[in-house]
Amino acid sequence: GIQVEQSPPDLILQEGANSTLRCNFSDSVNNLQWFHQNPWGQLINLFYIPSGTKQNGRLSATTVATERYSLLYISSSQTTDSGVYFCAVRQGGSEKLVFGKGTKLTVNP
Amino acid sequence: DGGITQSPKYLFRKEGQNVTLSCEQNLNHDAMYWYRQDPGQGLRLIYYSQIVNDFQKGDIAEGYSVSREKKESFPLTVTSAQKNPTAFYLCASSIHRLNGYTFGSGTRLTVV
Repeated sequence: GIQVEQSPPDLILQEGANSTLRCNFSDSVNNLQWFHQNPWGQLINLFYIPSGTKQNGRLSATTVATERYSLLYISSSQTTDSGVYFCAVRQGGSEKLVFGKGTKLTVNP
Repeated sequence: DGGITQSPKYLFRKEGQNVTLSCEQNLNHDAMYWYRQDPGQGLRLIYYSQIVNDFQKGDIAEGYSVSREKKESFPLTVTSAQKNPTAFYLCASSIHRLNGYTFGSGTRLTVV
């Protein structure tokens, strides 16, 4: 099956810093989402981005489907950005959304 | 507001008991999914349903059962056959297989 690798596994930042999270996948996909899991476990959908670039406030994401990777950018990070960021993909013909193991982000004040 | 409601948030089960986790959505989504998350891990698919009265096994279906009698509801039963049920369980839905997923807030199940 398709493999999803996220990097880095852990990231510690000072408030105000910028960061880039990466998601590599091993095969072509027709669905890619970025999620933020807060400390209470809730998965918040950040972006649905099978290709192209999207921005939402301080967050933006880019997926280059032909090269099988996606990037999540966080600018001017805040303590509330802390949590685990997951990338998840689905291939054509599959019903399964496959998750990476996540990047744990800690933003210190 | 539209969304997905999971209940209860916390559930304790004695060994040998079956327990049922509730998942209800008012998003009018056709597809619903159950995932399991273990500490420090990503999510793994247990079961999914694309339409009422139909569901399919995911990667880790053993020891679990589901039903889909109504479009809005997709309950998950953790049976006594599931040897390691302590985990965080997340329900999700999507309007179509090609669209994004929305997740509920999860149920933490602990075997005591």
